[in-house]
Amino acid sequence: AQSVTQLDSQVPVFEEAPVELRCNYSSSVSVYLFWYVQYPNQGLQLLLKYLSGSTLVESINGFEAEFNKSQTSFHLRKPSVHISDTAEYFCAVSLARDRGSTLGRLYFGRGTQLTVWP
Amino acid sequence: KAGVTQTPRYLIKTRGQQVTLSCSPISGHRSVSWYQQTPGQGLQFLFEYFSETQRNKGNFPGRFSGRQFSNSRSEMNVSTLELGDSALYLCASSLGQPGRSSYEQYFGPGTRLTVT
Repeated sequence: AQSVTQLDSQVPVFEEAPVELRCNYSSSVSVYLFWYVQYPNQGLQLLLKYLSGSTLVESINGFEAEFNKSQTSFHLRKPSVHISDTAEYFCAVSLARDRGSTLGRLYFGRGTQLTVWP
Repeated sequence: KAGVTQTPRYLIKTRGQQVTLSCSPISGHRSVSWYQQTPGQGLQFLFEYFSETQRNKGNFPGRFSGRQFSNSRSEMNVSTLELGDSALYLCASSLGQPGRSSYEQYFGPGTRLTVT
């Protein structure tokens, strides 16, 4: 069975401080990894994805995440946060199979509420 | 390119009623998935449709059903509503065909259902 664990439910930080949101997963098969962000009263926005290639992936707004297969982790980091980064962040995995039956299913963690204070 | 749209955005229903939610995927996307989001259970997968066929189903009772039309638009229906069905229902679309890019799912804004 697949599971995703986000170790921190809430992370408060001050503006311009660095932040790391932790994500670990468990799966018996290879996975693809994603981070989604959800702002209040909105849906989920795809922030980052790891499908293949370089284990370090970056977003356009300064977030990065590194896939660590040995530690089954995909932690999200940002060196300097802004107040506008305040949101809930979800880590998710998808089973990396080519058969069509599992393409559409994401397994989500419980989310981490990032609050940035001025 | 327009994103995923969901209608209605907000809905209030009474226990025992039924409800239908609608989702229009991104143009060219053929897969539509539905998720339920609640504070207690988090994000849970309901089902996925591809080319008008249900391809995958989560662990929800039969009161939850869905369908997909030939233009890839999808609807989900919940019959005999219960208080516990109050949630944000999210729809996501993806290409749905073999290839790594198909694993990227794009979400709509959701429909907030309140059951009283």
